[in-house]
Amino acid sequence: DPKIIQKPKYLVAVTGSEKILICEQYLGHNAMYWYRQSAKKPLEFMFSYSYQKLMDNQTASSRFQPQSSKKNHLDLQITALKPDDSATYFCASSQRDWAYEQYFGPGTRLTVL
Amino acid sequence: GEKVEQHESTLSVREGDSAVINCTYTDTASSYFPWYKQEAGKSLHFVIDIRSNVDRKQSQRLIVLLDKKAKRFSLHITATQPEDSAIYFCAASSNMGYKLTFGTGTSLLVDP
Repeated sequence: DPKIIQKPKYLVAVTGSEKILICEQYLGHNAMYWYRQSAKKPLEFMFSYSYQKLMDNQTASSRFQPQSSKKNHLDLQITALKPDDSATYFCASSQRDWAYEQYFGPGTRLTVL
Repeated sequence: GEKVEQHESTLSVREGDSAVINCTYTDTASSYFPWYKQEAGKSLHFVIDIRSNVDRKQSQRLIVLLDKKAKRFSLHITATQPEDSAIYFCAASSNMGYKLTFGTGTSLLVDP
């Protein structure tokens, strides 16, 4: 059974639109993260959450907004999409904090036309 | 902020040989150094890690070495097998941030 679920697996959007990427983890972990992987930047940290509290934000743009409605959920809302946002977005979690083994979800591949 | 440089972008070895991937970091406060593996078209999978209170750690065929003076750490894969072929990412984390900073990845190919 998948322990970290990301939905959808593939997503195609038009420039200027808004999308929400879903992440749920069933590992009982207290920390969750978002990463982005593209050809330009192989693996880029975006956000870290601990006990539903934002701990670090490395995205330069407010167009990216994480949303944590439950302890095991960390969704990512992206507004005013641009072609440069095209990437695979990975959600991850760890039992304690960033200095422990992180488990990665399968990813959502976003293409912005 | 922390920067992690991964020196080998590609590495090709013969099955049974050892492979070594080297990384350097910039932040002296970094204290946790994990390695992740990504197979083609798949997600990342934790491989091994080391903390700054030790300079060597081994898990089966994997050895991680840490040289804090040189701010360098390396992954050694011994007796390589074709299934070791993947992209390997090193990362570093300091107590001054709440994140992992990843290297750019090394594509390892093990020829059978």
